[in-house]
Order: sequence, then C-alpha cells, then structure tokens
Amino acid sequence: DTGVSQDPRHKITKRGQNVTFRCDPISEHNRLYWYRQTLGQGPEFLTYFQNEAQLEKSRLLSDRFSAERPKGSFSTLEIQRTEQGDSAMYLCASSLEGSGQVYGYTFGSGTRLTVV
Amino acid sequence: SQQGEEDPQALSIQEGENATMNCSYKTSINNLQWYRQNSGRGLVHLILIRSNEREKHSGRLRVTLDTSKKSSSLLITASRAADTASYFCATVNTNDYKLSFGAGTTVTVRA
Repeated sequence: DTGVSQDPRHKITKRGQNVTFRCDPISEHNRLYWYRQTLGQGPEFLTYFQNEAQLEKSRLLSDRFSAERPKGSFSTLEIQRTEQGDSAMYLCASSLEGSGQVYGYTFGSGTRLTVV
Repeated sequence: SQQGEEDPQALSIQEGENATMNCSYKTSINNLQWYRQNSGRGLVHLILIRSNEREKHSGRLRVTLDTSKKSSSLLITASRAADTASYFCATVNTNDYKLSFGAGTTVTVRA
C-alpha cells in the first residue's frame, strides 16, 4: 500500500458544471477525512467518515457538496453546480481509529480544482 | 474557522541556520501535530506531541508545547534547501478527532 491516493490531481471546470473527486485511503484505515485548502491558508475540515458512516459535516459543506464512502473503502466528493469560490485544493486524509492520536494522519496529494 | 495561528507568516534563512516557528491555539487539546507541505502538494506528518508532553524530538526537529500558554514551537536545526516548504500546526481538541489547522509558516532556505 503506497498511501492515500487522490484522483484527479488537477481539474479545470466551467462554472455550473458538476465535478467528482475520488480518494483511496490506506486500506486498513477506517477513518477518512476531507479538507479544503485555499491559497495561503491552512486546510479546513469538510467532512469525516468512520467506515461507511458519514459522522460529521462542516458548515462549509453546502447543499451542493456531497460525499460518500460506499462499503467503507474509497470515498468520493461531488460538487454540483460549481462556483468560482469552489476553486481550492481538496485534500483527503485517513487514519486508523485511535492511531491518529499517536501517529498523525496520512494525507493524499490533493485535487486542485479551478472553476473558470 | 482556524484554531491556530502561526508566527511568523514567512521566514527566510541561510542553509545551515536554525528555523523556529510558533503556533498559538485557543481551546483545550488532546494533541498538537506539525505538518509540512511542499508547494502544491499534500501534507506530510512531521511530529505529534500530546497535551501531557512538554518537548519532543525527531531527527532535526524539536517541538515544545506549553499548554498553560496554549502555544507550541517547532525548531528545525541545520536547515537544508529541501526544508523549503510551508509548515502547519494542527490541533486535535479534547474528545474530538479532526485536525484544526493554522494558516502556516512559509520557510525558504537559501543555498
């Protein structure tokens, strides 16, 4: 297992289009997180899964955003009717329950979204 | 909202010098973690310090934590050009699991 994978690395889309990103966590990690990072800022929490259950969503996650983690494996983050303000780096991280408090979290390389 | 604030926002040093950056936070924490991010890439976990620890070392990294002042510092000794990156502190609050990041310190190491 080579770590957390995110696909695509870059996405350019026109305003109003829908986009979907994928995250493949480390296989034995049961926790998966999505963060968003805008230029010059630190990442901001979006949502969190434990296995297949989505346990928390940030107020940043508007109705246009939806995330899934079918079967507790990979996760997808979909943004509908994209807006220019959605342009950001979307980061996925995973951890094993409890281990994140000892070893930290493993992040993917991110998907950079540009809405034109 | 961001939990922590890093200081300074940017730091430029000569190769071989030490780099020190500070992080302040607002709420009670379970642990504090430092991450590095190279330009346009994901974050790499560097070191974690628990709320009952005061100092921790890992290679050229030294982290301190002062829970009474709600602050932490990261020291990188004998810096190298490859240390050029943004450094973020992130806290995990008591009874929580998610990371809350500061805005980061951008470190440039000149050869």
